Amino acid sequence: DGGITQSPKYLFRKEGQNVTLSCEQNLNHDAMYWYRQDPGQGLRLIYYSQIVNDFQKGDIAEGYSVSREKKESFPLTVTSAQKNPTAFYLCASSPGDEQFFGPGTRLTVL
Amino acid sequence: GDSVTQMEGPVTLSEEAFLTINCTYTATGYPSLFWYVQYPGEGLQLLLKATKADDKGSNKGFEATYRKETTSFHLEKGSVQVSDSAVYFCALPNSGYSTLTFGKGTMLLVSP
Repeated sequence: DGGITQSPKYLFRKEGQNVTLSCEQNLNHDAMYWYRQDPGQGLRLIYYSQIVNDFQKGDIAEGYSVSREKKESFPLTVTSAQKNPTAFYLCASSPGDEQFFGPGTRLTVL
Repeated sequence: GDSVTQMEGPVTLSEEAFLTINCTYTATGYPSLFWYVQYPGEGLQLLLKATKADDKGSNKGFEATYRKETTSFHLEKGSVQVSDSAVYFCALPNSGYSTLTFGKGTMLLVSP
């Protein structure tokens, strides 16, 4: 089955630690995206990538980093510079204008 | 710039009631329009879309018509079910078509 996988579903980290969230897609989509969602809030774009080895900052990139070494993969690292990292993180991919979303990773920083 | 405005929630309805969630937009040209749904603890799923003016998107009993005269794309369902309880997002591609602009989302709560 084609789709987007995010792992893990739940992630706990201590304050000050970097953590990497995985996003993999087998839909052969060129573009991939990372969003952050806080309780009762909409989606905020962190980073996006339209092709391999290229990515752009979204609206809230500070404290985050990404890489796009393979078409299928777009991992997000939440660094210690992110002041309030506890949130629900969503990855998406797109063949054009419509986006397809993964199930999300809930990150809790203790 | 491109933007999407949705009615604030929560919208609270009884089962079998009629649903309308308003969405208006500002955009350059006539982009595709989308409604996404997010069930608790899950990612977003595309509910329906319309690619040009006067198109009607439909899925699972939900409908929305692309109205360029009123720049609206209101979501409707004739008879909601408890299982429709979720957050609904209206969205459109930005002018460069590289990202989507989302509304803030409208929570729907349906009681038996």
